[in-house]
Amino acid sequence: QKEVEQNSGPLSVPEGAIASLNCTYSDRGSQSFFWYRQYSGKSPELIMFIYSNGDKEDGRFTAQLNKASQYVSLLIRDSQPSDSATYLCAVIGSGNTPLVFGKGTRLSVIA
Amino acid sequence: GAVVSQHPSWVICKSGTSVKIECRSLDFQATTMFWYRQFPKQSLMLMATSNEGSKATYEQGVEKDKFLINHASLTLSTLTVTSAHPEDSSFYICSARVPRGYSPLHFGNGTRLTVT
Repeated sequence: QKEVEQNSGPLSVPEGAIASLNCTYSDRGSQSFFWYRQYSGKSPELIMFIYSNGDKEDGRFTAQLNKASQYVSLLIRDSQPSDSATYLCAVIGSGNTPLVFGKGTRLSVIA
Repeated sequence: GAVVSQHPSWVICKSGTSVKIECRSLDFQATTMFWYRQFPKQSLMLMATSNEGSKATYEQGVEKDKFLINHASLTLSTLTVTSAHPEDSSFYICSARVPRGYSPLHFGNGTRLTVT
């Protein structure tokens, strides 16, 4: 059973701080890793994707991947109250299997 | 970027009736689309994988006779909730991937179904 694990939270950070969201996955052959943001009552929207070990930056967001540790994270710099949402980690496993989602981490940015 | 359109965005129906939800890929052809369901404060649950020109693949515990999926073209998949019951009230979301490499999943805006 291929699994993606996330801390459900809530993770509370003050406005302007760095929010760090973590995700681990069980399939060592996984190829692609995605972070989605889901506001309450809305469908998920893609924030970032990463395929290679290391860091990938896009604006205030940085995705970090460590395949040896089977770990992917999302850093949000200068957190804003509008970043308050549930963040879903998703992984495409070996053999191009369907996307497997974690249960999500709820982030709350306090003004 | 890739766009997935879902319609309707919300629907209220009476118990025992059927409801059809449409999912379209607007700027790419999707041989495969995915249908998810999400209950309040719960995580996304994959219901079924819709395959163009063939039968859908249902996840364990999802009744294929109740949730009819038709993927008649490369840009359209439909989900019909038959003989709806109040416990079918949920947020239904379709998604699709651009068929290239390990591309991400793009989601429609979802359909909120309320069965009275």
